[in-house]
Amino acid sequence: GNSVTQMEGPVTLSEEAFLTINCTYTATGYPSLFWYVQYPGEGLQLLLKATKADDKGSNKGFEATYRKETTSFHLEKGSVQVSDSAVYFCALISVEALNFGKGTSLLVTP
Amino acid sequence: DTGVSQDPRHKITKRGQNVTFRCDPISEHNRLYWYRQTLGQGPEFLTYFQNEAQLEKSRLLSDRFSAERPKGSFSTLEIQRTEQGDSAMYLCASSPPDRISTDTQYFGPGTRLTVL
Repeated sequence: GNSVTQMEGPVTLSEEAFLTINCTYTATGYPSLFWYVQYPGEGLQLLLKATKADDKGSNKGFEATYRKETTSFHLEKGSVQVSDSAVYFCALISVEALNFGKGTSLLVTP
Repeated sequence: DTGVSQDPRHKITKRGQNVTFRCDPISEHNRLYWYRQTLGQGPEFLTYFQNEAQLEKSRLLSDRFSAERPKGSFSTLEIQRTEQGDSAMYLCASSPPDRISTDTQYFGPGTRLTVL
């Protein structure tokens, strides 16, 4: 079935460091791909999405490119801030359900 | 602009009791979803409604779970004879009817259930 696998955390970075969180997917066809973020004490928020191969989603300095050759949707940010500390979830849409990865916890230190 | 709301935010119950959660989707969103999230895991799909019709149910949704959306607006999720394994965060999400954004789901804050 359709699924995503994302790198395990926690990831700890210093402020202004470069961030990559890896996500690979297994799917029939080319479903839309998502990154959701969960800040401490808050609900899940959509961070970005891509609906077809080679699409790049971007928001708040984060980017991810839908790559069908490598079946990947890695999340990147050039310079992280303390306020980016959160749990990040990669997901794909399968019929009507979102299939999520286990989440990657990111801690950014000053 | 109000987002998805859920009530209660926290529920503590004793094993064997019944509990009911409510979800109010974003106005005019015709699709509504329930997910369950346990500690250290991503959310897992439980069920979804389009208007008042329940169109899909996960195998995770045992006979003790029932969900309704009687008028196509708010939804309730009931768990009968709760077990300790039901302890989790129950998330509700909704999505709009327009074709462009129909696969984007907007999540509520969740109801955290603790079964003692």
